[in-house]
Amino acid sequence: DARVTQTPRDKVTEMGQEVTMRCQPILGHNTVFWYRQTMMQGLELLAYFRNRAPLDDSGMPKDRFSAEMPDATLATLKIQPSEPRDSAVYFCASSWDRGREQYFGPGTRLTVT
Amino acid sequence: SQQGEEDPQALSIQEGENATMNCSYKTSINNLQWYRQNSGRGLVHLILIRSNEREKHSGRLRVTLDTSKKSSSLLITASRAADTASYFCATDGTGTASKLTFGTGTRLQVTL
Repeated sequence: DARVTQTPRDKVTEMGQEVTMRCQPILGHNTVFWYRQTMMQGLELLAYFRNRAPLDDSGMPKDRFSAEMPDATLATLKIQPSEPRDSAVYFCASSWDRGREQYFGPGTRLTVT
Repeated sequence: SQQGEEDPQALSIQEGENATMNCSYKTSINNLQWYRQNSGRGLVHLILIRSNEREKHSGRLRVTLDTSKKSSSLLITASRAADTASYFCATDGTGTASKLTFGTGTRLQVTL
């Protein structure tokens, strides 16, 4: 049963600390997305990759967020330095191709104090 | 910015009743998708309807698409308590972008 995995599931950190979230997309999927979900803003697209190349990261605060795909089995989202307003659930999703259904991971719940 | 807007924002029904949720969008699309999210979980894909399709069924789900009105509806028949979740529409816009644009969601509560 192929699924997207994310680690960690929960992360509590202090303001100013670096946070790294990891995602393993479904094998064979060529498009990977990072989303952030909050009660106030809903589901926001932060960045996405196709064949490991970044296509759009316009949803990310560039000064503190960075997203990479070191290889086809790993996507990372880093926040440095973290701030309380970054507290949210971060989802990774993957897809076979553009416009196809997306498969979401369980999310990383980030709390920045 | 979010393209899809779901209506209503929240819906409460009793088990056995039908639930209808609507989605409106603004630009031309290749397809429209519906997702479900249980509390604290990731979104789960339910159904995809292409722009040249008008209606699609999957089990107790029925989706319609009216591209002239830029709207879609999701009908869940004979609802169950397990259907309690948030439901999102997402549009695949025409153009070169690979991303989906998600709506704001409808929170469905099904009571016994």
